[in-house]
Amino acid sequence: GAVVSQHPSRVICKSGTSVKIECRSLDFQATTMFWYRQFPKQSLMLMATSNEGSKATYEQGVEKDKFLINHASLTLSTLTVTSAHPEDSSFYICSARDPNRDPGQQETQYFGPGTRLLVL
Amino acid sequence: KNQVEQSPQSLIILEGKNCTLQCNYTVSPFSNLRWYKQDTGRGPVSLTIMTFSENTKSNGRYTATLDADTKQSSLHITASQLSDSASYICVVRRRSSGTYKYIFGTGTRLKVLA
Repeated sequence: GAVVSQHPSRVICKSGTSVKIECRSLDFQATTMFWYRQFPKQSLMLMATSNEGSKATYEQGVEKDKFLINHASLTLSTLTVTSAHPEDSSFYICSARDPNRDPGQQETQYFGPGTRLLVL
Repeated sequence: KNQVEQSPQSLIILEGKNCTLQCNYTVSPFSNLRWYKQDTGRGPVSLTIMTFSENTKSNGRYTATLDADTKQSSLHITASQLSDSASYICVVRRRSSGTYKYIFGTGTRLKVLA
């Protein structure tokens, strides 16, 4: 249980185009999803917290107009990288919380397999 | 400053050997600490979670320890296997004004050789 999927797993696009990445919780409802970016040999950097039905909360330094996040349902959040540039090339990972799976307040994050974006 | 530092940065061991990974943190106020395993090109998978009152917790061949006084944690891997080759990430959750923040360490890259 607690499976999170991402699509696509890998995408190559031209500079200036937009790319949409989907994050789905397959067997649970996720009121909260997180989007991370990971550069080679570095740790995950939180970009934004996505709450179902409301606007995402972005971390300092993350441009909300460039990284559009939509969390329209309890099982799907999308990240759109608009007008992508080569420096946006990275590994994008989402995670989701299942409040019903962790009684108490430990709140395990279940991570997706990641999406590797290469902007040419 | 709320930080999580891991050591060593990378480690190579022979199959069957044991190893210990370290995590030091300055995060406050502390909520919990997790160790994740991240295979190359994959998302992290939780191995253990430690709360303030817990000193040690095992998950198969993985044993995590926590010293909340010195703000140190370790992950011990027993009888390593080739499949243990991965990055191991220490993540500390911090309480902040009714919300939670997750502070990620930079990870230790472990390579197990046959």
